[in-house]
Amino acid sequence: AQSVTQPDIHITVSEGASLELRCNYSYGATPYLFWYVQSPGQGLQLLLKYFSGDTLVQGIKGFEAEFKRSQSSFNLRKPSVHWSDAAEYFCAVGTTSGTYKYIFGTGTRLKVLA
Amino acid sequence: SAVISQKPSRDICQRGTSLTIQCQVDSQVTMMFWYRQQPGQSLTLIATANQGSEATYESGFVIDKFPISRPNLTFSTLTVSNMSPEDSSIYLCSVDERAYNEQFFGPGTRLTVL
Repeated sequence: AQSVTQPDIHITVSEGASLELRCNYSYGATPYLFWYVQSPGQGLQLLLKYFSGDTLVQGIKGFEAEFKRSQSSFNLRKPSVHWSDAAEYFCAVGTTSGTYKYIFGTGTRLKVLA
Repeated sequence: SAVISQKPSRDICQRGTSLTIQCQVDSQVTMMFWYRQQPGQSLTLIATANQGSEATYESGFVIDKFPISRPNLTFSTLTVSNMSPEDSSIYLCSVDERAYNEQFFGPGTRLTVL
């Protein structure tokens, strides 16, 4: 079955510290992979996406993610977190066979300490 | 990228009533999606709305409860019928911009059922 797992429900980091949010997926074919951010009361904003090619992708707001096929992972990283990064982060898989749709992970809520 | 608006942005409804949510896109798109995000939860796909055909519903969602219309390539509605407090959620529409191979999300409709 297709699924996306974000093992960390909550993460707290200090401002300026590095960040890594984990995402593992289960999908039979090569997926499209996405990270979205949802700030309180806001809609979802795309941070970055991976379709093919270079496994390290750069996104907006200084975020990057690395696709590791052998580990079925697509972890999100940022070298130095800002207080404004506090939000909910969702990893998603876009199915590439059959009906095109997204499968979302359960989300990771990031808290940033001043 | 597509600009998506939703109406209403929020509503408080009585149980047993129905609410129709509108989703308007500023460009023609092939695929539109409706999601539900229950409090503190991730996004769950309700259905895919294709112009000129019946919506395709995900497991656990039925047309009688969530009828969808898609009269043209820029507009769709989702009705939440015979509401109960369990229907209290944020409902989001999204569009699939195949040129970008990504989904863009509307701001959501926050529904509270008393």
